[in-house]
Amino acid sequence: TQLLEQSPQFLSIQEGENLTVYCNSSSVFSSLQWYRQEPGEGPVLLVTVVTGGEVKKLKRLTFQFGDARKDSSLHITAAQPGDTGLYLCAGLPRIRAGNNRKLIWGLGTSLAVNP
Amino acid sequence: DSGVTQTPKHLITATGQRVTLRCSPRSGDLSVYWYQQSLDQGLQFLIQYYNGEERAKGNILERFSAQQFPDLHSELNLSSLELGDSALYFCASSVEASGRPSYNEQFFGPGTRLTVL
Repeated sequence: TQLLEQSPQFLSIQEGENLTVYCNSSSVFSSLQWYRQEPGEGPVLLVTVVTGGEVKKLKRLTFQFGDARKDSSLHITAAQPGDTGLYLCAGLPRIRAGNNRKLIWGLGTSLAVNP
Repeated sequence: DSGVTQTPKHLITATGQRVTLRCSPRSGDLSVYWYQQSLDQGLQFLIQYYNGEERAKGNILERFSAQQFPDLHSELNLSSLELGDSALYFCASSVEASGRPSYNEQFFGPGTRLTVL
């Protein structure tokens, strides 16, 4: 069974602090996505990383795909209350049986940024 | 606004009943996915349809079924409802056009909150 483990599960920080959340697996993924979900709403795609070692930046958010494409991290600089939400990672397995293109989802990191 | 619409937004019903959730994908997207999200289990993939045909199945119960119509909208039918079916149900869509690389990037609707009493 392919799993994506996210850590930490919960994180509560003060505005202005930096933080890093992780998405780890023993499986290789051809691509990995990060989503943010606010309470009562659907997840919103933030970024897709495809190449091992790839780094992508989205304003204060920096996403990195591991060299072996088994893990990823999300770093937020100077967190703001608007960053509060559930951060989900989802990976597309490298080896897919038949025509199965199911994303594998992590359980998420719930981030609270306090003013 | 992702461009994916879901109705209804809220649904309250009783155990044993049957409900239908509706989803319209983004214009041009051929794939529709259904997910269930509860506090203790996270986002659980139920089923995927591509251009009217079932493409992949996840943890979908036999009491649940779905279909995608020629106009690409989709419906998720939940029957013999139990208290444990109370959850948020999300629909997502993606392009997955043939001949183009696809990372299965998904765009989610606002969800339907189902409460079974």
